[in-house]
Amino acid sequence: AQKITQTQPGMFVQEKEAVTLDCTYDTSDQSYGLFWYKQPSSGEMIFLIYQGSYDEQNATEGRYSLNFQKARKSANLVISASQLGDSAMYFCAMREARGSSNTGKLIFGQGTTLQVKP
Amino acid sequence: DAGITQSPRHKVTETGTPVTLRCHQTENHRYMYWYRQDPGHGLRLIHYSYGVKDTDKGEVSDGYSVSRSKTEDFLLTLESATSSQTSVYFCAISEGRGMNTEAFFGQGTRLTVV
Repeated sequence: AQKITQTQPGMFVQEKEAVTLDCTYDTSDQSYGLFWYKQPSSGEMIFLIYQGSYDEQNATEGRYSLNFQKARKSANLVISASQLGDSAMYFCAMREARGSSNTGKLIFGQGTTLQVKP
Repeated sequence: DAGITQSPRHKVTETGTPVTLRCHQTENHRYMYWYRQDPGHGLRLIHYSYGVKDTDKGEVSDGYSVSRSKTEDFLLTLESATSSQTSVYFCAISEGRGMNTEAFFGQGTRLTVV
């Protein structure tokens, strides 16, 4: 069964430093996509970055990059040069592609709360 | 920003009463989803829809029903609210079901059952 695990309930990072948020996943499908979302205290879900299972290079979006290790089934989010505005909850999610049975649903991890210290 | 509106944004209701949450989209996306968010569980899928009048259950569907009579509206109903259904509810939409298709989320509805 597909599953996403985020083992860090809470993280602290000093402003301007880099931080890695861990995400491991379990799937029997060869085709899948991995997403990271940010949820600030205001509650909305903000899409950050996407990595496809067939992508050979790690995805990057500005200060966000994804450390994708397919053999280990991990998709860690790296935030470089942390800012105070990065304080939020971060969710890792996966979507499988399984032909006609695919519903397009996202499966989420438990989330990691990141606090950036000034 | 994707046009998704959830209503109400906040609601307090009594145990045993029916409650309906509404998700309205202006993107004409085919797929719509209802999730609930609880501490330690992330977001869990309640029900989803893959077209008008086409719906199916997610992993935590007990006590919930849905309806989709128009492309733009997806309703979530708690037939008889219980305290365990106190949660934040999110609606999401997706243009397709491909593995690289982004899902867009509404602002969330905070429901308290007392």
